Amino acid sequence: GQQVMQIPQYQHVQEGEDFTTYCNSSTTLSNIQWYKQRPGGHPVFLIQLVKSGEVKKQKRLTFQFGEAKKNSSLHITATQTTDVGTYFCAGPRAGGTSYGKLTFGQGTILTVHP
Amino acid sequence: NAGVTQTPKFQVLKTGQSMTLQCAQDMNHEYMSWYRQDPGMGLRLIHYSVGAGITDQGEVPNGYNVSRSTTEDFPLRLLSAAPSQTSVYFCASSYSGWQNNQPQHFGDGTRLSIL
Repeated sequence: GQQVMQIPQYQHVQEGEDFTTYCNSSTTLSNIQWYKQRPGGHPVFLIQLVKSGEVKKQKRLTFQFGEAKKNSSLHITATQTTDVGTYFCAGPRAGGTSYGKLTFGQGTILTVHP
Repeated sequence: NAGVTQTPKFQVLKTGQSMTLQCAQDMNHEYMSWYRQDPGMGLRLIHYSVGAGITDQGEVPNGYNVSRSTTEDFPLRLLSAAPSQTSVYFCASSYSGWQNNQPQHFGDGTRLSIL
């Protein structure tokens, strides 16, 4: 079945350092979505990428979708303590019989030391 | 707007007991799903529904049943609780049906412990 892998599983940074998490799918994705979950909270949608090679920015966050639509990354510039949480990527498989199934990566837990 | 409402927020069960986790959304979303979240495992799809009367299995459906009699409600039933079902359960909904290309809106979760 479809697998979505995220690395690293954990990342500890000092406030002001940059952070990147990577997402790799075993199958081509029709789109990739990114979510953030604060400690004790629920996942909250951040952004969706649809096109091959697409890059989107939200303030200090930069999201990329790979040319083959099988990988993606989230980069945070100059982390702040408010960036603490778990970042998930998720994607539905393109075509096939898996429509309707959104597969999540394991998530990257980010801690930021002030 | 209430969004996605899950009840209860916390529950402790004994092995073998059954219970239903409730999920309701007031956004007229077609797609609803149940996930469980365990440390290091991310979010794993249990069951999902692309519309009223239509349900299908996700990655980890064993031990759980669902039904979708209305657009608004998507309850998850544990038939005979087992300690391995101790987890945090999230319900999510979105506008899309089979294309699944719309943001998922999550409820606050139900923290379930099976003794």
